[in-house]
Amino acid sequence: DAKTTQPPSMDCAEGRAANLPCNHSTISGNEYVYWYRQIHSQGPQYIIHGLKNNETNEMASLIITEDRKSSTLILPHATLRDTAVYYCIVRLPLNSGYSTLTFGKGTMLLVSP
Amino acid sequence: GAVVSQHPSRVICKSGTSVKIECRSLDFQATTMFWYRQFPKQSLMLMATSNEGSKATYEQGVEKDKFLINHASLTLSTLTVTSAHPEDSSFYICSARQESSYEQYFGPGTRLTVT
Repeated sequence: DAKTTQPPSMDCAEGRAANLPCNHSTISGNEYVYWYRQIHSQGPQYIIHGLKNNETNEMASLIITEDRKSSTLILPHATLRDTAVYYCIVRLPLNSGYSTLTFGKGTMLLVSP
Repeated sequence: GAVVSQHPSRVICKSGTSVKIECRSLDFQATTMFWYRQFPKQSLMLMATSNEGSKATYEQGVEKDKFLINHASLTLSTLTVTSAHPEDSSFYICSARQESSYEQYFGPGTRLTVT
């Protein structure tokens, strides 16, 4: 699986949009970009994933650049409960026998009042 | 959504004893389950992949005789830390792969403290 690079930490004011970047310059054509987050002392929580197109769900939006070498996770209106470590992961298609989740160091997002 | 549970959520044991951690997929079948370990201020590290009815596959550097994995049914995998030592104190997290979608869902984790 391709490796990812994320800033170690970011701050965001409550109610503002949080934009978390991720670089994955060695991503292969069939690899997906997944985002998970981990609130302190809990298991990881799935947020969103995409291949080429931008994606949006009830939690967040995922913007993938045209060359697919980077992406941005957007939390449109961050709340204090969004304080967590956010992991950007590149992985093979789910039905691939080699599709595993390899966690990097992630970005610690601190949302402040 | 798919739910994965772990039991216990927190356990304290004495050095030299063994501890068993259960991972259950509550509303789906999981042929494959994964066990991760997370030390303080570090990321999750995959320890092993368990497949129902067969032997687990361990990552490099993980002692298979110390971390015994049993995946006897499509909804249950267990991790037994044998002869635990203080350096085994960690946050252990399991995940289960749903057969119909191949999506991977995580449990809430088990905090192990060895005194």
